[in-house]
Amino acid sequence: QQPVQSPQAVILREGEDAVINCSSSKALYSVHWYRQKHGEAPVFLMILLKGGEQKGHDKISASFNEKKQQSSLYLTASQLSYSGTYFCGTEISSPGAAGNKLTFGGGTRVLVKP
Amino acid sequence: NAGVTQTPKFQVLKTGQSMTLQCAQDMNHNSMYWYRQDPGMGLRLIYYSASEGTTDKGEVPNGYNVSRLNKREFSLRLESAAPSQTSVYFCASTRDYPYEQYFGPGTRLTVT
Repeated sequence: QQPVQSPQAVILREGEDAVINCSSSKALYSVHWYRQKHGEAPVFLMILLKGGEQKGHDKISASFNEKKQQSSLYLTASQLSYSGTYFCGTEISSPGAAGNKLTFGGGTRVLVKP
Repeated sequence: NAGVTQTPKFQVLKTGQSMTLQCAQDMNHNSMYWYRQDPGMGLRLIYYSASEGTTDKGEVPNGYNVSRLNKREFSLRLESAAPSQTSVYFCASTRDYPYEQYFGPGTRLTVT
């Protein structure tokens, strides 16, 4: 089942902060975050694993609440380059299971204005 | 190191025509994936391959077939294209859990 992202869209001024949320109805083993610019492919930002380990972008942070099956992506001191659509991808299969399938949310459009 | 490459970049088909989308990666990744992305929507998994010689269905496999030709290449075939298959198709690959997925540039397909 597809994870639910909120908000659907957000407009920021440079330097402002924003939080993007991703919620699942199923127990998660990992949450991935990707950013996609218009007309381009998604680009990896962050992985959060059950148990607290994180891998990813130095300037973007995220959290993973395993009990609530929720993840949040924090855009701090936003820059113009942060504009794009952010997708979370959730993994519900057992760690290391064949395929490492992700189910992606519908996306959050972020526009950062000067 | 080209990463994930896809051909063609654009394609227009008529209803009922067939075609194969090609994907290759040069990162020695085990797992490969095919997604479709409709306008303003998220990515939906069509098929995936956990390793050379294996393929499995994703969320939206109807109307598609795949072949994992070798470790590098994973192709997606539309046997009889329909307007509902108009979309952008992305191929992706990854090493093993818990690593990120690398996406190709996409194929923009229009079926008239």
